[in-house]
Parts: sequence; C-alpha cells; structure tokens
Amino acid sequence: QSVLTQPPSASGSPGQRVTISCSGSSSNIGTNTVNWYQQLPGTAPKLLIYTNNQRPAGVPDRFSGSKSGTSASLAISGLQSEDEADYFCAVWGDSLNAVVFGGGTKLTVL
Amino acid sequence: QLQLQESGPGLVKPSETLSLTCTVSGGSISSSNYYWGWIRQPPGKGLEWIGSINYRGTTYYNPSLKSRLTISVDTSKNRFYLKLNSVTAADTAVYYCARIDVTVVPSTMFDYWGQGTLVAVPS
Repeated sequence: QSVLTQPPSASGSPGQRVTISCSGSSSNIGTNTVNWYQQLPGTAPKLLIYTNNQRPAGVPDRFSGSKSGTSASLAISGLQSEDEADYFCAVWGDSLNAVVFGGGTKLTVL
Repeated sequence: QLQLQESGPGLVKPSETLSLTCTVSGGSISSSNYYWGWIRQPPGKGLEWIGSINYRGTTYYNPSLKSRLTISVDTSKNRFYLKLNSVTAADTAVYYCARIDVTVVPSTMFDYWGQGTLVAVPS
C-alpha cells in the first residue's frame, strides 16, 4: 500500500484527453516536487514529467503535469495507441525520508 | 549518450546475498550533479526505491530495507553496486539502476535507467 494513491486503471479512446491523479499528503506532495514515469510493456520506466510540470526533451507536449496542494495530476491529450502503458508518480517523502512511488495506473487506449 | 547496464546472478537462494553491479557508460559517475540509484519492481507490481548513492559514497536507503542493504560505488570503474542480505522470495523482482538528477533536492528525478535485470529467489 503506497503512501501515494493512484487509480489502478484509466482508459480513453484515441484523440481523447485523460487525466491520472496522484494523491499524497503534506509531508510528500505538499512539500516536494512530483515526477511522472511512463512504463511501456516490457521496458524500463521513462521520465515523462519532472518538477511537477516540466517535460524532458523529446516528450510530446500532449503530456502535461500539474500539482495543487497535496495532489498531482498527469494529463494526456490527443490520446494515441502508443500511450498505452503504466504511469507512476514519484515524490520524496519527508516523514519516511525516502523516495515514494505511487502504485501505478494502467492506461488502456480503447 | 549515457547508458546504464545491470549485471549479476539471475537466481539467488533464500537467505543468501543478492549482488548486482550497475556499469555506467557514456558519462562519468563522478559528478556532483547526480546521484545513482537502485529501484526494483516485483513481477506485475509497482516500483520500489531501494536506495541511492553519490560518487563520494554518500548513501540514502529505503528504511524498510536498510538493515539488509549496502550500496557502494567505484569511481575508477564507473560502477556502483547493490548488496541485499538474507533474501527471501519477497525480494524477487526486476532490479533497475538509474541516474538521479539532483538539481532540485530532494530529488526523485530518475532521468536515465538501465534495462533491468530479473532476480529470482525461490520459495
């Protein structure tokens, strides 16, 4: 049971917009920056969003991140079949003195 | 282009020590801008941070694993290492090594990852 709560699944049709939430607390998301990772089937995770809302080079602007209070969100617009993957949020947990990952959300493109 | 590669046994007996090496190529491990970390993922489950180290040997460990864990670095070989003692079937996972950008601290920005290596501990 992670200290960061993500919905286990999400889905959308091609072209639609989907959002994935990551709920935490004042001792993690409320204090520190959030990063998001995309894990395509059978591959290593890939940094998708860093410092709440920044995209690394090469990540399409269809992907965006936001943070408010003790929650963060990942939005994917113009959904494509290749976006079908697992998505994880990550943040430093002050009370645990550790990196904490969300449980992950499996995104299905219908 | 920075690359990380995990290596080590794919099968470890219960109660023994799991030992993995991460070899960094295409860049130096000796930079103050980065830490180097281990993350694992049990089959079909989520990610778990194991611990991190910098080139000076400063470490941060997951409290849940700390009593069994040693992470070390060899800058001359551009490698860092994981040792996990007294393993059980619960330690079966894909183990990843990764680089951590510490421009913003505390950091969870794992910007380069190895491909991962599956380590099985039979029950």
